[in-house]
Formats: sequence, structure tokens, C-alpha cells
Amino acid sequence: AQTVTQSQPEMSVQEAETVTLSCTYDTSENNYYLFWYKQPPSRQMILVIRQEAYKQQNATENRFSVNFQKAAKSFSLKISDSQLGDTAMYFCAFMKPYGGATNKLIFGTGTLLAVQP
Amino acid sequence: EPEVTQTPSHQVTQMGQEVILRCVPISNHLYFYWYRQILGQKVEFLVSFYNNEISEKSEIFDDQFSVERPDGSNFTLKIRSTKLEDSAMYFCASRWDTELQYQETQYFGPGTRLLVL
Repeated sequence: AQTVTQSQPEMSVQEAETVTLSCTYDTSENNYYLFWYKQPPSRQMILVIRQEAYKQQNATENRFSVNFQKAAKSFSLKISDSQLGDTAMYFCAFMKPYGGATNKLIFGTGTLLAVQP
Repeated sequence: EPEVTQTPSHQVTQMGQEVILRCVPISNHLYFYWYRQILGQKVEFLVSFYNNEISEKSEIFDDQFSVERPDGSNFTLKIRSTKLEDSAMYFCASRWDTELQYQETQYFGPGTRLLVL
């Protein structure tokens, strides 16, 4: 069974600085998807970025980028130029591909990020 | 931009009562999911639904739970006899897919916060 581990329960960063959130996962699959979701105090789940395992290139979305290390089963999220609005819980998630309706997301326990002014 | 909506945003109920949580997925989506998040814990998969039937359910999704798509737009989660431990945030998510291209992203609704007293 797949598992997702986020070893940093809480992190803090100063506004405008860069922070990296860690995520590791365990799977025997060769192809899969990885996601980072953001959950602000409103508790809505917002997709931040996604990565397809068969793509070598790391995904980037504006200030958000990932460092995907397939052999190490590591998927870290880098937030550049941190903003106060980035304060949220961040969840790493795994999904097997092409499974039809059974494409459930498997989430890690989350990292609470606080951006300090 | 289309979004997943959920009602109610908050619900308080007495133990043993039935509750129905409602979701309106994005209109052209075909795959529907319920997840739950107990306060302070990670998001957990409950059930996936496609073509008017359950595709997969977790061990959490016991006989007290049921899902239904009563019309072309709503997707509901019913808890027949609520327990204290059902208190959680319940998220609906949807995804679309075609024969030509796989679409992996699940879009989440804002959640329903259920409190069982």
C-alpha cells in the first residue's frame, strides 16, 4: 500500500524568504501523480502544484516549485518570496494513475506553515 | 471558473440522527469522491463514485454511510445514525476524464463541518 510521510509538522518562514517543505512516499508503482494541496484557515483544499512521475522536469507554478527525486521517492515543495497569504497547512498527496474512478488521493499528515511579517 | 460547491457549510446534529451532506460537482465531471478530515488529522478517502455506483470505499465507509447521485447535478453523502467520532470536515471532490486524455486533478469543494453532539 502507498504511504505518504511529511516529517515536518510545523515550519516558520519570514516574509519574502524561501522555504522548503518535505514529503516522502512509498510505492511500488512506476508511474503515478504527486500533488501539493494548500489548506488555509478556511479549511478549503486548494491545489498548489502537481507532478507526473514519468516527467523528469520538476513542475513550477509561479512562486511554487517542486524537487522531485523519483529514486529517493522524495517530493519537496519550495515556496519562493513567501507571502503572508501562504500561511496554511500544506498536504502532500499521492495518486495512482489510470485507475478510473478509484483514483483516490492518499494524503500525508500535513505541514503547518506560518509566514511571519 | 467552475467550482465544486457543498451545503451546508456547517451542521450540528445530535448523536443517532441522520445527516445528508450535499455536493454539486463541476458540471462536466464524471468521477466523484468524498473525503473526511477529523480536526488536526490528515484527509482520508471515504468513497469514490462513477456511473451511478460506488467504485471503491475505504474501511471507514461502513453500513452507516451511503452515497447517491439523485439527479444530474447533486452528489450526496448520508450518515444514517451519527456517532461522536463522525465529527469532522467532509470534502467532496470531482474529476473529469475522457477516452482521449487522462485528467488526474481532483477539485475539492469548500467542505462541510459536521459536529455531532
